[in-house]
Amino acid sequence: DTGVSQNPRHKITKRGQNVTFRCDPISEHNRLYWYRQTLGQGPEFLTYFQNEAQLEKSRLLSDRFSAERPKGSFSTLEIQRTEQGDSAMYLCASSPPGSYEQYFGPGTRLTVT
Amino acid sequence: GIQVEQSPPDLILQEGANSTLRCNFSDSVNNLQWFHQNPWGQLINLFYIPSGTKQNGRLSATTVATERYSLLYISSSQTTDSGVYFCAVVDGGSQGNLIFGKGTKLSVKP
Repeated sequence: DTGVSQNPRHKITKRGQNVTFRCDPISEHNRLYWYRQTLGQGPEFLTYFQNEAQLEKSRLLSDRFSAERPKGSFSTLEIQRTEQGDSAMYLCASSPPGSYEQYFGPGTRLTVT
Repeated sequence: GIQVEQSPPDLILQEGANSTLRCNFSDSVNNLQWFHQNPWGQLINLFYIPSGTKQNGRLSATTVATERYSLLYISSSQTTDSGVYFCAVVDGGSQGNLIFGKGTKLSVKP
């Protein structure tokens, strides 16, 4: 079991650019979650997939954010027209069928200059 | 929505000391997890403990769901225990997304 992986680990971009992050969950985990963590705070929920269906989105997920999980495997999170306020750690987690226990990836740290 | 409060916010210990971290939550929960976030940001699972008591080496946790709190005990602390400890719960009415407290920042001095 290789754990949840995320790429890239770090991303520096200029304001107004688009960025895309990838998350590969633990194999056979059908649920996948995205969270955002800013300095000094706990992670905050962004969105949730069960298999390929996006079942819940937080109010934090503005129109500039979109997430996909084609074929219920890896997921991508895209931010369009980045703003400095988007600078944060973006965390992905997955959980197996029948369990609420979540396992987190190492995160992607985004810096918008 | 459900509120999660952790205490203390900061804790400084001498190596070898014991400590207790507390997590209070405002409503019934389907899940409670304790995590340790290392300096690189990785969240490491410590316990999945919606109720009862579990132990893993020097760490143990107890959740009393009826009284809406959980405790994490760290015994004989080591410098490698330093970092931020988060409690997170799943709201009973949600799809499973975790709601995190603000964490307890632990510093263990040699």
